[in-house]
Amino acid sequence: AQSVAQPEDQVNVAEGNPLTVKCTYSVSGNPYLFWYVQYPNRGLQFLLKYITGDNLVKGSYGFEAEFNKSQTSFHLKKPSALVSDSALYFCAVRDISSNTGKLIFGQGTTLQVKP
Amino acid sequence: DAGVTQSPTHLIKTRGQHVTLRCSPISGHKSVSWYQQVLGQGPQFIFQYYEKEERGRGNFPDRFSARQFPNYSSELNVNALLLGDSALYLCASRHRLADAYEQYFGPGTRLTVT
Repeated sequence: AQSVAQPEDQVNVAEGNPLTVKCTYSVSGNPYLFWYVQYPNRGLQFLLKYITGDNLVKGSYGFEAEFNKSQTSFHLKKPSALVSDSALYFCAVRDISSNTGKLIFGQGTTLQVKP
Repeated sequence: DAGVTQSPTHLIKTRGQHVTLRCSPISGHKSVSWYQQVLGQGPQFIFQYYEKEERGRGNFPDRFSARQFPNYSSELNVNALLLGDSALYLCASRHRLADAYEQYFGPGTRLTVT
């Protein structure tokens, strides 16, 4: 069965410092991986995706993610955190076994950026 | 361009009642998916529709049903509501079914069952 795991419920970082939100995956075959962000009382906003190609993927709002096949990880990163980055972050993998386009989400990681 | 829109924003229902949630996809998007997000958890897949046909169903009881209209908008229906159905219901649209295409989510409908 395909799955993703976000091992940290919360990540705290000071404004201006680099941030990393961790994600590991378990899939059979090549993974299609996504990061979404959710602000309070809002839906999910797409940040970036990895389909194939370069292991470093650049996305919206200065975020990037590094695909590591050997470690089955897809960590979200940003060189310099902003207070406005504080939100709930979800890693997701496309369920390629069902041919439905279904996304399987992790439990989410709350990012708290303090001034 | 307008994003995915959902209505209503919030609603409160009583156990045993029925509810209909509505979604309009991004213009040109033919695929609509529904997800349930219970507080503190990641979204769970309920249905996917493409070109008005059901293409996938998650592990939800038959009380949950959906349909897609010729203009690609969609409805999610839930019968005999239970307290456990309280959640944020998210609609997502996608241009095509190909795996490489990302899904764009609406703001959600917050359903509270009392």
